Formats: sequence, C-alpha cells, structure tokens
Amino acid sequence: QQQVKQSPQSLIVQKGGIPIINCAYENTAFDYFPWYQQFPGKGPALLIAIRPDVSEKKEGRFTISFNKSAKQFSLHIMDSQPGDSATYFCAANQAGTALIFGKGTTLSVSS
Amino acid sequence: DVKVTQSSRYLVKRTGEKVFLECVQDMDHENMFWYRQDPGLGLRLIYFSYDVKMKEKGDIPEGYSVSREKKERFSLILESASTNQTSMYLCASSLVQIYGYTFGSGTRLTVV
Repeated sequence: QQQVKQSPQSLIVQKGGIPIINCAYENTAFDYFPWYQQFPGKGPALLIAIRPDVSEKKEGRFTISFNKSAKQFSLHIMDSQPGDSATYFCAANQAGTALIFGKGTTLSVSS
Repeated sequence: DVKVTQSSRYLVKRTGEKVFLECVQDMDHENMFWYRQDPGLGLRLIYFSYDVKMKEKGDIPEGYSVSREKKERFSLILESASTNQTSMYLCASSLVQIYGYTFGSGTRLTVV
C-alpha cells in the first residue's frame, strides 16, 4: 500500500517556468511533509519541509502548498533554472516513524 | 555539516554471497535508516534504528538484516545475495524530525 502518491513521474519545463509537483497522502496522523532533491550520483538532500498547521511555506524560489482537508501538498519552483534539473521526492511521516517517500519526479529545465 | 559515509560506491557480488554494506555518520545522530532506490519505485525503507542495538523492520526487510553495535555505524547485510537485490542502497541519519534526514551518496550494488 503506497501511502504517499506523487505525480507527475517526469516534467519538462523551459527556463523561467514554474514546475509543480503534487503529492497525496492517506495517513491523517502524518505531521511532517518534506521535499528532497536528488542530483545524479548523489543522495537526496532536504529541500524544504512543512507541518500541517500552515498552508504555505516559502524558501527562496521553492514553495510548498499544503491542503490538509484534501490530504495533498505540492512543490512549486519559481523562475526555474537549468540547475534545478533533478529528481524530487515528497515524503511524509509522524514523529517516531521513518519517512515514507513518493516515487519521485524527474524534472528537466531546458535553457 | 553532518556527513554520512557509505563505504563503497559501486559493488559487484555473486548470487549467494553474503554482502555487507557499511554506513557511518559523524554527528552523533540517534536515528539511522537504510533505503533502496529503484527506478519508478522511489525510496523504499528496508530497516531503521533509533538506538544502538535496536532495529525495526521497514517495508521490504525480506532478505536483509542489519547491525548497529555502535551509535555511528549502521550495517546492512544481505544474507544470500540474489539478482533482485541489484539496486542503489541509501543510508541516512537524523537527529530529530524537523531537521530531516542526511543521506549518504549511495552504494550501487549489482548481483550477478
């Protein structure tokens, strides 16, 4: 049973575009929702995270939008750059349990 | 910065061999994790540990075991490697939930 569903599987945007990656979760006990970024040959790195008591969080060009009633959260990348080309994973957990990851989205930003 | 070091970047083993994947973290983190990453399947949790000598099964523990004798070291063991265990293996550590996980660079294991 997949508890975190991520879409799309791949995404191609032009430089300056705003790619959006979506995730849906099932477990209402989840209270932590991070996004990880992975470049080829590297392990995933924490990009940004949100808790369910806020609906939006921004860090630089990266924004998480959170909809608790719909059990969905999404990552927006403003003014995307070729250097943002990577694989992005959403994840979720509750305190005391391990993160459950989505299947990943491969983003390609063309110049 | 926290560093998580996985001992091998690439590993080729034969079917039936016992395989050890080593992971060391240098920031006194309580929690350590082993995931495997496969194309289209994302990261799947194999085992995790919240303390020395403590281990918990993840979603796909079959065919694997782990050892945590010291706080900084978490080993993944493939008791008898099989070709379906060919994968990228990622180790991670964390202190508390809000700080997220720090991942190693991964070990790409090929079983032939």
